[in-house]
Amino acid sequence: DTGVSQNPRHKITKRGQNVTFRCDPISEHNRLYWYRQTLGQGPEFLTYFQNEAQLEKSRLLSDRFSAERPKGSFSTLEIQRTEQGDSAMYLCASSWDLGDEAFFGQGTRLTVV
Amino acid sequence: AQKVTQAQTEISVVEKEDVTLDCVYETRDTTYYLFWYKQPPSGELVFLIRRNSFDEQNEISGRYSWNFQKSTSSFNFTITASQVVDSAVYFCALTMDSSYKLIFGSGTRLLVRP
Repeated sequence: DTGVSQNPRHKITKRGQNVTFRCDPISEHNRLYWYRQTLGQGPEFLTYFQNEAQLEKSRLLSDRFSAERPKGSFSTLEIQRTEQGDSAMYLCASSWDLGDEAFFGQGTRLTVV
Repeated sequence: AQKVTQAQTEISVVEKEDVTLDCVYETRDTTYYLFWYKQPPSGELVFLIRRNSFDEQNEISGRYSWNFQKSTSSFNFTITASQVVDSAVYFCALTMDSSYKLIFGSGTRLLVRP
């Protein structure tokens, strides 16, 4: 296993368009997380999956954001009607159990123009 | 409330100097976990160390060492004989039994000059 994989690495979109990002976690990890990171800040939690169940969502996740993890494998994060404020690095991470270290992907950098 | 504070925004040292990165955390949970991550210019977060709240032993790994003190709610990170390759942003993070998420500090940017 080569670690957590995210696609695409970069995405430039026009305001108002929808975008979807994909995350492939480490295969034996049942916990998957999405974070958002803006310049000069630490990652901010967006949402968490244990297997296919979405167990926690941040208040940062507006109605325009939705995440899925069908069959408890890969996950997608969709942003509808993108706004300039959505421009950020979107990070995916996975871990085996509570308290275990989370392994992060290289992120998807979104630029909304 | 749960919170991680990294008061040092940026630190600049000359190669071979020792440097300590501070981390102060807040939580009411008795069971929690602390982490340090490194984010080099390439952007990927790299795990460095994990500590649980019941293990206050300090740890040394090569040039890296960590000092966990529950009495002061601190989990500080020291790099001995710093090298240019240590230049990165370092994040301290916290998670608890009562929550699934990692709470990150705002990071400390370390610049090691040759």
